[in-house]
Amino acid sequence: DIVMTQTPLSSPVTLGQPASISCRSSQSLALSNGNTFLSWLQQRPGQPPRLLIYKISNRFSGVPDRFSGSGAGTDFTLKISRVEAEDVGIYYCMQATQIPYTFGQGTKLEIE
Amino acid sequence: EGQLVESGGGLVRPGESLRLSCAASGFTFSNAWMNWVRQAPGKGLEWVARIISKSAGGAIHYAAPVKGRFTVSRDDSKNMLYLQMNSLQTEDTAVYYCATSMEAPGAFDYWGQGSLVTVSS
Repeated sequence: DIVMTQTPLSSPVTLGQPASISCRSSQSLALSNGNTFLSWLQQRPGQPPRLLIYKISNRFSGVPDRFSGSGAGTDFTLKISRVEAEDVGIYYCMQATQIPYTFGQGTKLEIE
Repeated sequence: EGQLVESGGGLVRPGESLRLSCAASGFTFSNAWMNWVRQAPGKGLEWVARIISKSAGGAIHYAAPVKGRFTVSRDDSKNMLYLQMNSLQTEDTAVYYCATSMEAPGAFDYWGQGSLVTVSS
């Protein structure tokens, strides 16, 4: 199974400041056809997960442009350019390159 | 816009069975590759099972912890997804979500609200 490791597990940030979350996979997520199925999800308290980013860097419909994704192979990053109060929650990376699909442990974003 | 609504959760004793349902609307369910994902209380997300569309072969895959105990199925005529859970264990206690990828390749862009399954004596 592909293990997804996120850092940090907790991230206190100041409103208006940037935030960054890293996700590393135990093996490359790149497929021979060029696709890399790495996505980022946000889960607010009491809510189901919500897709933010798919295929490393594609922002899903309705997601603010302060969210961006980057990376390749085994190393990926989610960045929030300026954190807003509504961004509080837990962020997960997920790989769908190989069954079983696997998630990172989650990173809790908190406002300082 | 697509919607997924789970039902069927509840409190059961270890060793008992339960069937979850997921009603889909707003998209072409028969083309969808459907998944179950669970989240134990206070824990992270865990993928449980996937059933692909019949047109793509209908293959089914399970996570190791549930293989042999859980069965996923679909009824495309009713736009319904099911998860039959047998021999339930306390560690199966979780919120169970159905999820699918409709617009974002290789990602879960549609999620239900979840159904809580509690296994306790």
